[in-house]
Amino acid sequence: EDQVTQSPEALRLQEGESSSLNCSYTVSGLRGLFWYRQDPGKGPEFLFTLYSAGEEKEKERLKATLTKKESFLHITAPKPEDSATYLCAVQRASGGSYIPTFGRGTSLIVHP
Amino acid sequence: EAGVTQFPSHSVIEKGQTVTLRCDPISGHDNLYWYRRVMGKEIKFLLHFVKESKQDESGMPNNRFLAERTGGTYSTLKVQPAELEDSGVYFCASSPRTGFYEQYFGPGTRLTVT
Repeated sequence: EDQVTQSPEALRLQEGESSSLNCSYTVSGLRGLFWYRQDPGKGPEFLFTLYSAGEEKEKERLKATLTKKESFLHITAPKPEDSATYLCAVQRASGGSYIPTFGRGTSLIVHP
Repeated sequence: EAGVTQFPSHSVIEKGQTVTLRCDPISGHDNLYWYRRVMGKEIKFLLHFVKESKQDESGMPNNRFLAERTGGTYSTLKVQPAELEDSGVYFCASSPRTGFYEQYFGPGTRLTVT
């Protein structure tokens, strides 16, 4: 069974204090790893897709990286508006199945 | 471009009652997904439509849940009769392509069964 573990569960940062969120996964035949951002009362918002080990994607202050066992979401000089829950999801290659497996997320709070 | 919309945003019903949730995907998106997040747990897949056909419904908990997508546009998810463990947030998502591509989520419907 596919598994996704995100750590830490919660993270408090001061504005400008860079850090990383971790997503460890166990999946047979990884096809894609997705990062989403979720604000309170809203649905997840797509950030990145990573398809193979060594791949990196960047968007503003966020950078996602992927290895064969885990992915990191690096946040550089965060601002209060980066406060949200960050979700990781993996999809495996298995016939016609396109079912993502989500982690429980990391709740990030950035203090001004 | 309008995003994925869901109705209602919140529903409180008693055990044994029926509730119908609605999802309107982004126009032109053939793929529509339903998910559920129970408090303290991760988001779990329920089912996947491609147009009006059910591509995969392996995540549906039991036969009290019925999903439809008539005409390949909006979708409904009916829970009948509702049980306490059905409480949670139900998300709908859509995608323009079938496969391993990003999905666009709606704001969710919070269902509380008392």
